[in-house]
Amino acid sequence: NSKVIQTPRYLVKGQGQKAKMRCIPEKGHPVVFWYQQNKNNEFKFLINFQNQEVLQQIDMTEKRFSAECPSNSPCSLEIQSSEAGDSALYLCASSPTGTGNTLYFGEGSRLIVV
Amino acid sequence: QQQVRQSPQSLTVWEGETAILNCSYEDSTFDYFPWYWQFPRESPALLIAIRPVSNKKEDGRFTIFFNKREKKLSLHITDSQPGDSATYFCAASLYNQGKLIFGQGTKLSIKP
Repeated sequence: NSKVIQTPRYLVKGQGQKAKMRCIPEKGHPVVFWYQQNKNNEFKFLINFQNQEVLQQIDMTEKRFSAECPSNSPCSLEIQSSEAGDSALYLCASSPTGTGNTLYFGEGSRLIVV
Repeated sequence: QQQVRQSPQSLTVWEGETAILNCSYEDSTFDYFPWYWQFPRESPALLIAIRPVSNKKEDGRFTIFFNKREKKLSLHITDSQPGDSATYFCAASLYNQGKLIFGQGTKLSIKP
């Protein structure tokens, strides 16, 4: 059973609507990752945090995607104006160390944009 | 540019046989290679991982063979069981950078 908690498991949004997903990393894991897994099973790295600070992120030039990991609150990934191409499984993962790369994934939030 | 490639895309073997899943990578500085498996409607889970200091890593029926010179690795599953049916992802990263780069996956089906 995953100890990384993601909510909601499913969300359905109309095009142009905002979509927000949350993640509670495993206790004691300072590093959090967000990946997008599309219908072809391809993984796309989005962003990672160590504590509240961004470590790496893709070029979110469209500015539709934003993410944060505030202290004492769940991490979140938000899509400001959903598009059909955003339909995917959004996976949050946490890691017990800043390096070492063992990622523990949550069960994901499946976004369907209609 | 796909930095981590997997083959075949799908593979079917009979129960009891050995399944061989292949992976290759581009960046010679990668130094951590985990394999994840993912069952339908579930999240990926770490199966086994290797670092280039060794060319073989074994865990029960699962073995990674690693060839640093050719930038290739393979996952061997001996005595395949129907419960091994899943999609297997090879991934790679730099040890100190955290971000994993995943291959496209191999869908493995084990026929009883």
